[in-house]
Amino acid sequence: GQNIDQPTEMTATEGAIVQINCTYQTSGFNGLFWYQQHAGEAPTFLSYNVLDGLEEKGRCSSVLSRSTGYSYLLLKELQMKDSASYLCAVITGDYKLSFGAGTTVTVRA
Amino acid sequence: IAGITQAPTSQILAAGRRMTLRCTQDMRHNAMYWYRQDLGLGLRLIHYSNTAGTTGKGEVPDGYSVSRANTDDFPLTLASAVPSQTSVYFCASSPDNYNEQFFGPGTRLTVL
Repeated sequence: GQNIDQPTEMTATEGAIVQINCTYQTSGFNGLFWYQQHAGEAPTFLSYNVLDGLEEKGRCSSVLSRSTGYSYLLLKELQMKDSASYLCAVITGDYKLSFGAGTTVTVRA
Repeated sequence: IAGITQAPTSQILAAGRRMTLRCTQDMRHNAMYWYRQDLGLGLRLIHYSNTAGTTGKGEVPDGYSVSRANTDDFPLTLASAVPSQTSVYFCASSPDNYNEQFFGPGTRLTVL
């Protein structure tokens, strides 16, 4: 089976930075996605990494280290609307997407 | 239609009944997927289709069936619903099986 681990919950202050870690042990690797999901809504795409290194888009950055099976998502200048669940997902060797259980981030004023 | 839609939005179903969840996309994506999302377990893949006319089993396929007669539609059928199938069901599509997936709004299903 696939093993994708991320913290269950995190709390951060408005205007600050939060880093959400994800470790994975999967049968094959073809890329890693981060999705955002607000309560009661569908997941939406945030970022994609397939090679080691940094991907940046607006206030969101993601880093991948394939050799260690590790990624993190960095959210900067946090806003109240960033309160949501953040899902780490790996495309495995058979090209299926396997998700972690998600990290619920609460942004406080 | 814009994007990916699901119907119904929510449903309460008696155990033993047959139910089909509908999913339609207008983006001409080749690949489509069905997931269920349960508290603490994250999204789990039920069935998928890499292209029209083909389907495959995901992580939790038992009790579910799918068909992919054309590019746009990917219905999920519960032949005889059981309470453990109470969940939120998300349909998704992607241009190919290694691209970003786009998710529908979800169907909240309760089996009593």
